[in-house]
Amino acid sequence: GQQLNQSPQSMFIQEGEDVSMNCTSSSIFNTWLWYKQDPGEGPVLLIALYKAGELTSNGRLTAQFGITRKDSFLNISASIPSDVGIYFCAGQPMNSGGSNYKLTFGKGTLLTVNP
Amino acid sequence: GAGVSQSPRYKVAKRGQDVALRCDPISGHVSLFWYQQALGQGPEFLTYFQNEAQLDKSGLPSDRFFAERPEGSVSTLKIQRTQQEDSAVYLCASSSNRAGGKLFFGSGTQLSVL
Repeated sequence: GQQLNQSPQSMFIQEGEDVSMNCTSSSIFNTWLWYKQDPGEGPVLLIALYKAGELTSNGRLTAQFGITRKDSFLNISASIPSDVGIYFCAGQPMNSGGSNYKLTFGKGTLLTVNP
Repeated sequence: GAGVSQSPRYKVAKRGQDVALRCDPISGHVSLFWYQQALGQGPEFLTYFQNEAQLDKSGLPSDRFFAERPEGSVSTLKIQRTQQEDSAVYLCASSSNRAGGKLFFGSGTQLSVL
């Protein structure tokens, strides 16, 4: 099946630093989504991207949909302790045989912020 | 309610037991999804409903897994004769978009099979 390669697996940063994580795929995606998951909770949608090249911000978060439609990155500026959690990229493959409702998830990036 | 509600939050089952996991989606959401999340992994698709119709069950791991949404609202995921490999967090998500898109997830049910 489709696979998303998400990196890095984990990051340890100091409060106030900027963070960047990315997601790549061997196949083309229609949609890229970035979710954050806190322990014991379900993923919460941060940003949704629908067009190649699209750059979208949500507060201190910025995400871009790659031109090739095979990658996306998420940046967090001026990190704060509550940014701690697991960040997942997810996408809907373009050639999914009509099942364009399915989301394929990466394995996540664990972010730790030291105050 | 305001969000997707799942119950129970935690379930411990003895191997061979049947379990039923409940999902109450956001009111009015047409689409409902079940995902399985193993420890240290991202969620993986199990099944998809549009209203009461189960349009895709290709992700269900075996015929011991069964999902229903009889009135197009609340859904139940049933696992018969549970095995240790069924231990995972089961996430329910709903969406107002018929093609999926933005999914809103519940907090999940953590299933431990002993």
